[in-house]
Amino acid sequence: GQQVMQIPQYQHVQEGEDFTTYCNSSTTLSNIQWYKQRPGGHPVFLIQLVKSGEVKKQKRLTFQFGEAKKNSSLHITATQTTDVGTYFCAGPAYHTDKLIFGTGTRLQVFP
Amino acid sequence: NAGVTQTPKFRVLKTGQSMTLLCAQDMNHEYMYWYRQDPGMGLRLIHYSVGEGTTAKGEVPDGYNVSRLKKQNFLLGLESAAPSQTSVYFCASSYSRGWRGETQYFGPGTRLLVL
Repeated sequence: GQQVMQIPQYQHVQEGEDFTTYCNSSTTLSNIQWYKQRPGGHPVFLIQLVKSGEVKKQKRLTFQFGEAKKNSSLHITATQTTDVGTYFCAGPAYHTDKLIFGTGTRLQVFP
Repeated sequence: NAGVTQTPKFRVLKTGQSMTLLCAQDMNHEYMYWYRQDPGMGLRLIHYSVGEGTTAKGEVPDGYNVSRLKKQNFLLGLESAAPSQTSVYFCASSYSRGWRGETQYFGPGTRLLVL
């Protein structure tokens, strides 16, 4: 079955450092979504990418969808303690009603 | 507008006991989902529903049953709880089909401990 993997599993950074998480799917995705889950909270939608090679920015967060639509990345510039949490990518298999979530990357930021 | 709510927030069960988790959404969404989240495993889909009266199996359906008698409610049942079902359970809903890229809105979660 389709799998969506993320690396790294954990990342500890000093506040102000950059952070990147990578998402790789075993199959081509029609779109990819990113979610953030704060410790003890629930996943919250961040953004959706649809087009091959698409890049979107949200303040210090930059999201990219690969040319082959099988991988994606999230880059955070100058991390802050408010960025702490687990970041998940998620993608649907073609013409299904389900989202396949990646394994997640847990980010810890030290002040 | 409460979004997606889940009841209860926390529950402790003994092995073999049964319980029902309730999910309710007030966004008039057609699609509803039940996930479980275990450390290092991400979110795994248990069952989902594409509309009132319909349900389908997800990735890890064994040991669970679901019902969608009303559009706004999605119930997850454990008939005979096992320690392996200790997890955090999230309900989610979306307006339309996953492959169209519809955002999923998550409830706050239910923490279940099976002893």
